[in-house]
Amino acid sequence: EAGVVQSPRYKIIEKKQPVAFWCNPISGHNTLYWYRQNLGQGPELLIRYENEEAVDDSQLPKDRFSAERLKGVDSTLKIQPAELGDSAVYLCASSLGGVGEETQYFGPGTRLLVL
Amino acid sequence: QKEVEQDPGPLSVPEGAIVSLNCTYSNSAFQYFMWYRQYSRKGPELLMYTYSSGNKEDGRFTAQVDKSSKYISLFIRDSQPSDSATYLCAMSGQGAQKLVFGQGTRLTINP
Repeated sequence: EAGVVQSPRYKIIEKKQPVAFWCNPISGHNTLYWYRQNLGQGPELLIRYENEEAVDDSQLPKDRFSAERLKGVDSTLKIQPAELGDSAVYLCASSLGGVGEETQYFGPGTRLLVL
Repeated sequence: QKEVEQDPGPLSVPEGAIVSLNCTYSNSAFQYFMWYRQYSRKGPELLMYTYSSGNKEDGRFTAQVDKSSKYISLFIRDSQPSDSATYLCAMSGQGAQKLVFGQGTRLTINP
């Protein structure tokens, strides 16, 4: 079974440029998460989707970050414009969803460097 | 003060040693406790999952949760060089969906 797929794996951009990350969750997983992991820190949740609905986006900086999960499958996270402080690894995770099915499976992440 | 505190290390031990990794937390609503392992340039992978207090064993790994002290531990017996990674504790309240992670402890097992 394929795991969570993310692309690109690495991205280098200049500040004020836009950037987008893509995630394809494990087949059949209804819940999708985007996390940001700063260097030497644990992941921090940005947004959680149940199917196509964003059920928790309280930690998403909405002035510059946006996300979508059309058709409740794959998802895109966008930053516009990027700032130096956005340099981090952006992780996508998915889970089956529902009680007892909360185990989150993580993708390899997209490593973003903003210059 | 962070909700979850974890010593970032680094921790370096010889092969075969018993490793003890720990986290403390402040939110008494946490009920689900997990340990993730993260290799360099990889995503975290779930190692152990415990609900509420008690111990759980899986091969060389044992997870302990003491809710009264707000303290969780992961023990690794007969440590191997392949165990070298960053270990992240994570926990959540009602439902296990909103995880709060510790900073991660970087562990190196020396052959």
